[in-house]
Amino acid sequence: QQQVKQSPQSLIVQKGGISIINCAYENTAFDYFPWYQQFPGKGPALLIAIRPDVSEKKEGRFTISFNKSAKQFSLHIMDSQPGDSATYFCAASTGNNRKLIWGLGTSLAVNP
Amino acid sequence: DAGVTQSPTHLIKTRGQHVTLRCSPISGHKSVSWYQQVLGQGPQFIFQYYEKEERGRGNFPDRFSARQFPNYSSELNVNALLLGDSALYLCASSLDPAGGREQFFGPGTRLTVL
Repeated sequence: QQQVKQSPQSLIVQKGGISIINCAYENTAFDYFPWYQQFPGKGPALLIAIRPDVSEKKEGRFTISFNKSAKQFSLHIMDSQPGDSATYFCAASTGNNRKLIWGLGTSLAVNP
Repeated sequence: DAGVTQSPTHLIKTRGQHVTLRCSPISGHKSVSWYQQVLGQGPQFIFQYYEKEERGRGNFPDRFSARQFPNYSSELNVNALLLGDSALYLCASSLDPAGGREQFFGPGTRLTVL
């Protein structure tokens, strides 16, 4: 059973466009929701994270929107660039447990 | 500051062999977690260690074991390797539980079992 469901599986966006990746979760005990970016052959790199007491968090071109009642959160990449082409993972964890539960990933391709 | 380092970068083993993977966390980080990432999937949690004690264990067989040393570095050991153990093994470090929640990942060790 996938505790964190991520969509779409793949995404193609034109340069300058907005990339949107969505995640949904079931466990209401989750209280930490990070997004990671991973390039081929590399480890995941933390992009941005949010806690459920905040509905939106923005860092540069990256924004997380969080909907606690719907148990959904999403990553928006504004002004997408070819260098953003990578696999993006959402994840969730609870309490002081560092165990991250991951989505299956979204492969993003930004066309020049 | 150096990030999380892992060694070796790549490793090729045959079925039935044993492997040891190593991880050094970010300076000041006392917690280390291990994840297995099969190609095309998200990472799966294997172990978490803090102050040399196991704090969490994922759904992996007893062939997988780990330990953390006084300098907070860690080893992941896998015995009796199976073809299905082929994956990218990731180490992540984080502050102690009273600190931040963020986990920072190393580049991983690519294990191929033939």
